[in-house]
Amino acid sequence: SQKIEQNSEALNIQEGKTATLTCNYTNYSPAYLQWYRQDPGRGPVFLLLIRENEKEKRKERLKVTFDTTLKQSLFHITASQPADSATYLCALSGGYNKLIFGAGTRLAVHP
Amino acid sequence: EAQVTQNPRYLITVTGKKLTVTCSQNMNHEYMSWYRQDPGLGLRQIYYSMNVEVTDKGDVPEGYKVSRKEKRNFPLILESPSPNQTSLYFCASSKITGSTEAFFGQGTRLTVV
Repeated sequence: SQKIEQNSEALNIQEGKTATLTCNYTNYSPAYLQWYRQDPGRGPVFLLLIRENEKEKRKERLKVTFDTTLKQSLFHITASQPADSATYLCALSGGYNKLIFGAGTRLAVHP
Repeated sequence: EAQVTQNPRYLITVTGKKLTVTCSQNMNHEYMSWYRQDPGLGLRQIYYSMNVEVTDKGDVPEGYKVSRKEKRNFPLILESPSPNQTSLYFCASSKITGSTEAFFGQGTRLTVV
């Protein structure tokens, strides 16, 4: 069955550093990959979408890469700030199919 | 403002007492879905709807029902809630699933005792 793996351990980094989160998947060939931010007790908020034929996508301090050979996406936050502390979810889709979510990685940015 | 509205935000109920969680979106989206979120398991899809009067099971549909009589509304119905349905529930909508962003509601924290 389809499986999405994100680091279950929390990621702790110092303010100003680059945070890198990983999303690996198996038994799937997604056409689209999305990243969401979720704060405690609140609904996920969309950040970025990348297509299978795109290698990289950027939005302000955020960068996403998508390697369909490695079956992996990396999500980078540069110049991280304490306000970036949240759980980040990776989600995959085959196009008109449902969106499948990973369990998320909790990021803590320390001053 | 584009939004998905769920109600109630918090609900404590007893086993077997039927309840409905409402969901409404104001973006004219065709695709709507319900998820439950449990620690360590992430978001799991319960039911989804591609359009009015079209609904289908997600990954964990047992014990739940939905309806889509109007495009904007997608209520989640628990006919006979049980303690294992204690969870955080989210409704989401999107123009087209997967290739466009999903908008989520604020969540409903349900406790079944």
